[in-house]
Amino acid sequence: GQNIDQPTEMTATEGAIVQINCTYQTSGFNGLFWYQQHAGEAPTFLSYNVLDGLEEKGRFSSFLSRSKGYSYLLLKELQMKDSASYLCAVTDSNYQLIWGAGTKLIIKP
Amino acid sequence: ETGVTQTPRHLVMGMTNKKSLKCEQHLGHNAMYWYKQSAKKPLELMFVYNFKEQTENNSVPSRFSPECPNSSHLFLHLHTLQPEDSALYLCASSQGGEGSSGANVLTFGAGSRLTVL
Repeated sequence: GQNIDQPTEMTATEGAIVQINCTYQTSGFNGLFWYQQHAGEAPTFLSYNVLDGLEEKGRFSSFLSRSKGYSYLLLKELQMKDSASYLCAVTDSNYQLIWGAGTKLIIKP
Repeated sequence: ETGVTQTPRHLVMGMTNKKSLKCEQHLGHNAMYWYKQSAKKPLELMFVYNFKEQTENNSVPSRFSPECPNSSHLFLHLHTLQPEDSALYLCASSQGGEGSSGANVLTFGAGSRLTVL
């Protein structure tokens, strides 16, 4: 079967750096997404990786290793507003999106 | 108004009621989706419409009935629901049709929180 694994919950301190990991086992691979979802709000697109390596967007970076079936989202200079759930999703060989259960990130002052 | 709008935001219904969820997108997208989001579970794709044609129905019980009258509007009609159907129902849209590309970015609405008593 197809599976996406990510930690259920993580805690970090304001101003610090946190890395949220995502591992996947899917039938084929056509890209990996990260979405952010604040409590009670819509998930919003953060990043898309289809080639190996690091994509940087301001304080957020996303890394992909296709050979390892692994990605991470790196958040720098954490702010209280970064408290949210982070959803990892992979597009398989049929271009179907397979979702992880999400990682709830708690930021403490 | 821009983006994807869902109404109502909250809905409480009994098991014998009939209600509908509404979704509207103002982005000119070609595909619309219904997802179910339950706590600590992955998003579950329920229905997909590409250019107003239903292309996916992931074994969803018949008590959920979708309707897509045009490319901007999507409904989810609810009838004789069960308490386990209580969840957040998310609508999304995308520029490309579902299954068209690996880079098909979804724009989500804020969801309708459904409670079935």
